[in-house]
Amino acid sequence: NAGVTQTPKFRVLKTGQSMTLLCAQDMNHEYMYWYRQDPGMGLRLIHYSVGEGTTAKGEVPDGYNVSRLKKQNFLLGLESAAPSQTSVYFCASRWDINEQFFGPGTRLTVL
Amino acid sequence: RKEVEQDPGPFNVPEGATVAFNCTYSNSASQSFFWYRQDCRKEPKLLMSVYSSGNEDGRFTAQLNRASQYISLLIRDSKLSDSATYLCSFYNFNKFYFGSGTKLNVKP
Repeated sequence: NAGVTQTPKFRVLKTGQSMTLLCAQDMNHEYMYWYRQDPGMGLRLIHYSVGEGTTAKGEVPDGYNVSRLKKQNFLLGLESAAPSQTSVYFCASRWDINEQFFGPGTRLTVL
Repeated sequence: RKEVEQDPGPFNVPEGATVAFNCTYSNSASQSFFWYRQDCRKEPKLLMSVYSSGNEDGRFTAQLNRASQYISLLIRDSKLSDSATYLCSFYNFNKFYFGSGTKLNVKP
């Protein structure tokens, strides 16, 4: 099992550009999450999904959109990137409440 | 007020030392609690869940104090390999909230 994978691992964008981050899991987990991690801020929840076809807002959803068309994939979109979105993005999935499995992260820089 | 607060450290301790971290949370309805370990430039990994009765896993002991709204992590006999950032987390209605992490440096 690959676990949770994220694509791409690194990306540099210019302000105003758009991009999509892909998260994939092969553990048949219902729940999936997108977080961003900034220095001194810890992990902050952007959006999450409790199952295929569902999405919900987290703590910091503004400027992001998500889709969960297939159970194994959770996409995070930035329509018009801003320097404030420079961060490390982590995807996670879980089956039960006791453990989230995280992907390796995507390092995004917006110039 | 932040949902979760942790002392960022760093805690610099010698090998073999005992070190303790605390984490306070503001939401009294929080349902479950966790400690994660995060190595530099890596993803967080679950270290242990925290149960009301307290729980132990080898050199690690976690405790929950609901009345005072904090969880703690005790590491005994610190190893060099324990050097990492430790994140506390709590769960409430499908969402997880994380502290900013406490950095631990174990020195030879």
